[in-house]
Amino acid sequence: SQELEQSPQSLIVQEGKNLTINCTSSKTLYGLYWYKQKYGEGLIFLMMLQKGGEEKSHEKITAKLDEKKQQSSLHITASQPSHAGIYLCGADPRSNFGNEKLTFGTGTRLTIIP
Amino acid sequence: DVKVTQSSRYLVKRTGEKVFLECVQDMDHENMFWYRQDPGLGLRLIYFSYDVKMKEKGDIPEGYSVSREKKERFSLILESASTNQTSMYLCASSPPWTGVSYEQYFGPGTRLTVT
Repeated sequence: SQELEQSPQSLIVQEGKNLTINCTSSKTLYGLYWYKQKYGEGLIFLMMLQKGGEEKSHEKITAKLDEKKQQSSLHITASQPSHAGIYLCGADPRSNFGNEKLTFGTGTRLTIIP
Repeated sequence: DVKVTQSSRYLVKRTGEKVFLECVQDMDHENMFWYRQDPGLGLRLIYFSYDVKMKEKGDIPEGYSVSREKKERFSLILESASTNQTSMYLCASSPPWTGVSYEQYFGPGTRLTVT
């Protein structure tokens, strides 16, 4: 079973609209990382959340980690074509998924239409 | 800025061929990783290395091997390529675990097609 589930798997949004991507863990997270991947390219680090209830923002992207530290959301306000790509959440290895490596979610493919 | 480069962006190989994917990082990172990315499955770790000549299996090592003779270079080897190894391969590096952050830096990826 997948330890980190992302939803939705894909999202098509009109430019200018807001959207939310969710990442749910089967275990309490020690920390949660959000990455963005442009189509056909490598991953770019967006932000990291560690504390329950923590919220961070960068430009029009806001990420939150719930109080129980089992769910994170990534919210984009007034989406732009530059936001298109695949968004992946990653669990800090101290979340103890049985290994010492970063565990990734399945990804959410975001398409922005004009 | 950290730079992770991969030898090829696109690669087409035949079934049974031996395939080498090269990854080089310029930040003197101890840790290096090889992932494959497939639709619906996300990123899956194949192998990682935390020092020269040291390697550990990830979640899906079958059909792959790795080599790390120098700190900056981590190679992924497909001994006998098969069609089910058609995928996007991503290399990453990171400094030693500090207890604070586990950020990894990724290369641009190699899209491998095995026919």
